[in-house]
Amino acid sequence: EDKVVQSPLSLVVHEGDTVTLNCSYEVTNFRSLLWYKQEKKAPTFLFMLTSSGIEKKSGRLSSILDKKELFSILNITATQTGDSAVYLCAVIRAQKLVFGQGTRLTINP
Amino acid sequence: GAVVSQHPSWVICKSGTSVKIECRSLDFQATTMFWYRQFPKQSLMLMATSNEGSKATYEQGVEKDKFLINHASLTLSTLTVTSAHPEDSSFYICSANSISYNEQFFGPGTRLTVL
Repeated sequence: EDKVVQSPLSLVVHEGDTVTLNCSYEVTNFRSLLWYKQEKKAPTFLFMLTSSGIEKKSGRLSSILDKKELFSILNITATQTGDSAVYLCAVIRAQKLVFGQGTRLTINP
Repeated sequence: GAVVSQHPSWVICKSGTSVKIECRSLDFQATTMFWYRQFPKQSLMLMATSNEGSKATYEQGVEKDKFLINHASLTLSTLTVTSAHPEDSSFYICSANSISYNEQFFGPGTRLTVL
């Protein structure tokens, strides 16, 4: 059975801290792994990772994929209160997205 | 990026009634759309894959006679929750595949509350 597991499920840090969110997967016919940020509504796209070892970066956010060990991490540096959200990891399997449970990140001022 | 809209954004209905949710791709054609359900503090669970001009493919455990999907055009898919019950109360989100952008775009979601 395909599985996407995120950790931690919940994380509370202070503004300015750096956080690392984890996503491991077991999926047949893996194509890509995606990270999303979900606030009150639908998820917004952050990154798509297809190749191992290539870091994708957008401002304070970065992510990398390890296809040998079947995991990805999402890093957020110098966190701000606006980063508070649920971060979802998903894997593409035959056009479909299989989501992890999400990590609820809370940034306290 | 491409835009996907959903209507309504929220709906409250009585138990036993049917509710229709629309998902539209506004500036691109989507041969495939997906319907997800998200219960509070849980992740998105794929319900079905909607293909234009053909029958939807449902995930295991999702009743096709209860959740009717119609993908009548390349820009519109509808999900009808028939004979809704309180346990159907959830956040329903659609997404559409854009070939041009090679990614899936999500609609803003519809919050359904069944009394």
